[in-house]
Amino acid sequence: GDSVTQMEGPVTLSEEACLTINCTYTATGYPSLFWYVQYPGEGLQLLLKATKADDKGSNKGFEATYRKETTSFHLEKGSVQVSDSAVYFCALSERGYQKVTFGTGTKLQVIP
Amino acid sequence: GAVVSQHPSWVICKSGTSVKIECRSLDFQATTMFWYRQFPKQSLMLMATSNEGSKATYEQGVEKDKFLINHASLTLSTLTVTSAHPEDSSFYICSARDRAGYGYTFGSGTRLTVV
Repeated sequence: GDSVTQMEGPVTLSEEACLTINCTYTATGYPSLFWYVQYPGEGLQLLLKATKADDKGSNKGFEATYRKETTSFHLEKGSVQVSDSAVYFCALSERGYQKVTFGTGTKLQVIP
Repeated sequence: GAVVSQHPSWVICKSGTSVKIECRSLDFQATTMFWYRQFPKQSLMLMATSNEGSKATYEQGVEKDKFLINHASLTLSTLTVTSAHPEDSSFYICSARDRAGYGYTFGSGTRLTVV
C-alpha cells in the first residue's frame, strides 16, 4: 500500500537558517504530493503541492520538487522565521482515489 | 478559497456521554468528507470516508457503531462519538473534497477530552 516517510523531529533551527525536511514515498501509481502545515492548536493547512514528476510546488518561501526517480518530495526554505514554527506533514494522494496518506509529521521549532 | 468550518474547537465531556462534531463547507459543495483522528505526536489516521447521501466507509479497526457519521447534505457532515471513554480523547479533524475534486480542505479540528 501507499506510505509516506518523513524525517523525525523535532527540528530546531535559529532564525534565518536553511531548512530541509526529507520526505520519501511509496505508491503504486502516479500520486499527487502535498505538504501540509499545522500551527499550534489549529487544523491542517495546505502549504504546497505538486501533481506530476519534476513539478515544483512553492508557497510562502517554501519549495518542494516532485522527484519520481528518487520518490522524494523534500521541503526546503532558505531562511526560516520564528513564525514558521509548526508541524509539517508530507502526504500523497493517488489519482482516481480519494484517500490521502500522511507521514508522521515533523515538528519545526525556530528560535530567535 | 474553500473553507471548512468545524465545531466545536474543543469539548470536555463525561464518560458515557455522546459528543457531536460538525463540519460545514462554507463556500463550496463537499461531495466527500473525510474524518481523521490524530493522537499526540502522531500522524493523522483516517477513520472514515463519507459521501453525501450514502453510508460512510470505515477504515479497518474503526468501530462504526461508536463513531457515527452522517453526511446528509452537500455542506454538512457530522461525527458523533457515542458512549465516550477516556481512550477516545483525541484531536479529530474533518476534510472535505470539493465537488470539482481539485483539492482537500481541512477543518480546524476538535480537541475532545473525556473525563
